Amino acid sequence: DSGVTQTPKHLITATGQRVTLRCSPRSGDLSVYWYQQSLDQGLQFLIQYYNGEERAKGNILERFSAQQFPDLHSELNLSSLELGDSALYFCASSSTLADSYEQYFGPGTRLTVT
Amino acid sequence: GQSLEQPSEVTAVEGAIVQINCTYQTSGFYGLSWYQQHDGGAPTFLSYNALDGLEETGRFSSFLSRSDSYGYLLLQELQMKDSASYFCAVPGGGSYIPTFGRGTSLIVHP
Repeated sequence: DSGVTQTPKHLITATGQRVTLRCSPRSGDLSVYWYQQSLDQGLQFLIQYYNGEERAKGNILERFSAQQFPDLHSELNLSSLELGDSALYFCASSSTLADSYEQYFGPGTRLTVT
Repeated sequence: GQSLEQPSEVTAVEGAIVQINCTYQTSGFYGLSWYQQHDGGAPTFLSYNALDGLEETGRFSSFLSRSDSYGYLLLQELQMKDSASYFCAVPGGGSYIPTFGRGTSLIVHP
């Protein structure tokens, strides 16, 4: 158990809908990362927050947005969902910016868009 | 941009030694990390090399050569439970984003 929690574990929704994925980092970790992993694909970095501020952005679609709240939990919002958005979404955390080489991953949210 | 190349699949027998290679092209480089992921599970951190040379952690070792833009993960005394995907990754920093390789599927046979 990494100490990172993600909810929900599974999500099934229809095209065009909007969903919110939630992540709580390890106690004391300030940095949160979001990744997308499609079938047989590597981990695609989406976005990083550090202590409430956006720190780095990857190939995140405009339909996707995220935020980190004062209690350091983070939410990833996916809207106007398409079939291709079906994937495993991971949240990870690290204690500081300098520790980004050692990330602790949550169990993931499996999103299925039908 | 940043890219990391690793073999898609490696097979070995129980008790053997296997090496998973990773070559990288990055504009900025802080070091090379390795993660393990079992089917459907969360990636777990294995090791990190910031400097050239070998880092040993139990049955796993990781090596880095900055001059060759190359690293590898060495797994010794293979066990069936080592069957998993292994990812090399470069951490983010400055204007660079965290980037993972596509992963190497290790299959350990009895």
